[in-house]
Amino acid sequence: EIVLTQSPGTLSLSPGERATLSCRASQSLSNSYLAWYQQKPGQAPRLLIYGASSRATGIPDRFSGSGSGTDFTLTISRLEPEDFAVYCCQQYGGSPKTFGQGTKVEIK
Amino acid sequence: QVQLQESGPGLVKPSETLSLTCTVSGGSIVNYYWSWIRQPPGKALEWIGYMYYTGSTKYNPSLKSRVTISVDTSKNQFSLNLSSVTAADTAVYYCARENPDIGGYYYMDVWGKGTTVTVSS
Repeated sequence: EIVLTQSPGTLSLSPGERATLSCRASQSLSNSYLAWYQQKPGQAPRLLIYGASSRATGIPDRFSGSGSGTDFTLTISRLEPEDFAVYCCQQYGGSPKTFGQGTKVEIK
Repeated sequence: QVQLQESGPGLVKPSETLSLTCTVSGGSIVNYYWSWIRQPPGKALEWIGYMYYTGSTKYNPSLKSRVTISVDTSKNQFSLNLSSVTAADTAVYYCARENPDIGGYYYMDVWGKGTTVTVSS
C-alpha cells in the first residue's frame, strides 16, 4: 500500500498570501496519478487537481499542482477567503487507492 | 450537473450490517465506476471499494471480507453493505464517481456530501 504523507499539518496564512502544500509518497507514482481535494465541513469534497497538475473543471487558476515521482505540491497563489479549508492528496495508480491525512489552511 | 446523495441509518449496532445507498441525479450511472469512501473522526479518508455499472467490483483488501457494493441501474443507485461492524467503523461515509485518466486509472471527480454513521449499542 502506498502511504501519502502531507506537510505541514496546519498552515496559518492571511488572505492574499501564497500557500504551498506538500504530499510525499512512499513509492514512486506511475504517470503521476495524484489528485488533490478540498474539504469543508458539511460539504462534498471538491476535486481540484488530477494527474498531479491538471486543473479540474471550474477550478480557478490560482490553484496549481506540480511534482512527479514521490514529491508533489499544491500551490494556491493568492488565498481567497473561501480557500481556507482542509486539502488532501490521493494516489489512484496503486491498489488500494490511498489518501494523505490532510493539511488544514487556516486564517492567521 | 451530476449530484450524489448518500442515505441510510445514522446509527448501527455492533455486529450488525451497515447499509447505505447513493442516489445519482443529473446523469446516468451507466458507463461509470462508482466508489465508496469513509473518514473516521480525526483520521484520513479511506477508500472502501468501487463498482462498475455492470456490477463488477474491487475492494480495499483491509475491508474485503466484510464489504459488498451493488448497483440498481433502474433506480440510478448503488449501495454499500458492511457486515459485522464495530466502533472502528464509525465514520462519515461518502460516495463518489470515478472518472478515467489516461492509462485506464480513475480519480474521483464528483462526491456526495457524506453521511455520518455511528456504531454503538
